[in-house]
Amino acid sequence: NAGVMQNPRHLVRRRGQEARLRCSPMKGHSHVYWYRQLPEEGLKFMVYLQKENIIDESGMPKERFSAEFPKEGPSILRIQQVVRGDSAAYFCASSPQGQGSSYEQYFGPGTRLTVT
Amino acid sequence: GQQLNQSPQSMFIQEGEDVSMNCTSSSIFNTWLWYKQDPGEGPVLLIALYKAGELTSNGRLTAQFGITRKDSFLNISASIPSDVGIYFCAGYPSRSKLIFGQGTTLQVKP
Repeated sequence: NAGVMQNPRHLVRRRGQEARLRCSPMKGHSHVYWYRQLPEEGLKFMVYLQKENIIDESGMPKERFSAEFPKEGPSILRIQQVVRGDSAAYFCASSPQGQGSSYEQYFGPGTRLTVT
Repeated sequence: GQQLNQSPQSMFIQEGEDVSMNCTSSSIFNTWLWYKQDPGEGPVLLIALYKAGELTSNGRLTAQFGITRKDSFLNISASIPSDVGIYFCAGYPSRSKLIFGQGTTLQVKP
């Protein structure tokens, strides 16, 4: 059973460019979460999505950041007009359900974004 | 916002020693999760706790959900070099948002 897949693993962008990060959840999982991690810190929640719906985006900056999880295909985290402060590791996690007894989230290997 | 305080921040121990780390919250959590992260990788789920007072083991790892629902601890017995990494506690203040502690960096000397 394949785990959570993320690509690319490393992404370099110049200031002002757009960054697109992709996440394919584990088979059978319909809930996706995005987190950001700065060096020497824990992971910070950004957004929680189900297929075609954003459930909670309270951790995502209001400007330049957007996320989607279409009916077909991977979840996408998009960062427009990147700035140096966006440099971080971005992790995606998935779970079989977002409510009820199963709260276990399984993480992908992350995308390391560097803005030059 | 809600925070998880994890301690110690780092540990340097001898192979074979037992390790204990803990996590406290300012508010009640209904679920505690413990993860391990290796450099350059994503966190790997070690143990999930769902009930106050619950004690759960996974091999040499044991974790407990505090009775007050505001704390949890993780023990590693007879540490080995591959236990090296960063250990994170995490909990749900709401159903959708998982928050993480700052992490405990473990180094094991062979």
